[in-house]
Amino acid sequence: EDQVTQSPEALRLQEGESSSLNCSYTVSGLRGLFWYRQDPGKGPEFLFTLYSAGEEKEKERLKATLTKKESFLHITAPKPEDSATYLCAVQTNTGTASKLTFGTGTRLQVTL
Amino acid sequence: DTGVSQDPRHKITKRGQNVTFRCDPISEHNRLYWYRQTLGQGPEFLTYFQNEAQLEKSRLLSDRFSAERPKGSFSTLEIQRTEQGDSAMYLCASSLGPLGQETQYFGPGTRLLVL
Repeated sequence: EDQVTQSPEALRLQEGESSSLNCSYTVSGLRGLFWYRQDPGKGPEFLFTLYSAGEEKEKERLKATLTKKESFLHITAPKPEDSATYLCAVQTNTGTASKLTFGTGTRLQVTL
Repeated sequence: DTGVSQDPRHKITKRGQNVTFRCDPISEHNRLYWYRQTLGQGPEFLTYFQNEAQLEKSRLLSDRFSAERPKGSFSTLEIQRTEQGDSAMYLCASSLGPLGQETQYFGPGTRLLVL
């Protein structure tokens, strides 16, 4: 069964304090790995898709990287508005659907 | 592009009642997904449509749950005889593109509370 594990569960940073979130996965065949941001009471907002080991993508203060077993979301000089839950999900070769299997997320709080 | 919309945003019902949720996907997106999310968890896949055909259902989707996408546009998710364990956020997502390489865009969700 496909498994996605995110760590840490929660992270508190001061504004400007860079850090990384981890997403490790065990799947039978990876088609893609996705990062979403979710604000309280809202639906997930798409950030990045990574398809192969070694791939990197950047958007503002966020950078996502992928290896054969895990992905990292690096946050450089975060601001309070980066506070949210960050979800990692995988899309695999099993079955006919392109369903996403999510981790439980990392709750990020950035303080002044 | 107005994004995925869901209605209602919130629903409170009593145990045993039936509820129906609606999802309007991004225009021209041919795939539509339903997920369920409980507090502190990531979304869990429920079911998936390609155009009007329902192609996969999770074992999470009991016989009390039914989903339709009659004309390949909007979709409805109905829960019959609701139970307190059905309380959750129900999320809809849509996508377009080659299977396995498309991005799913989520709506704001419908939060269900069963009393």
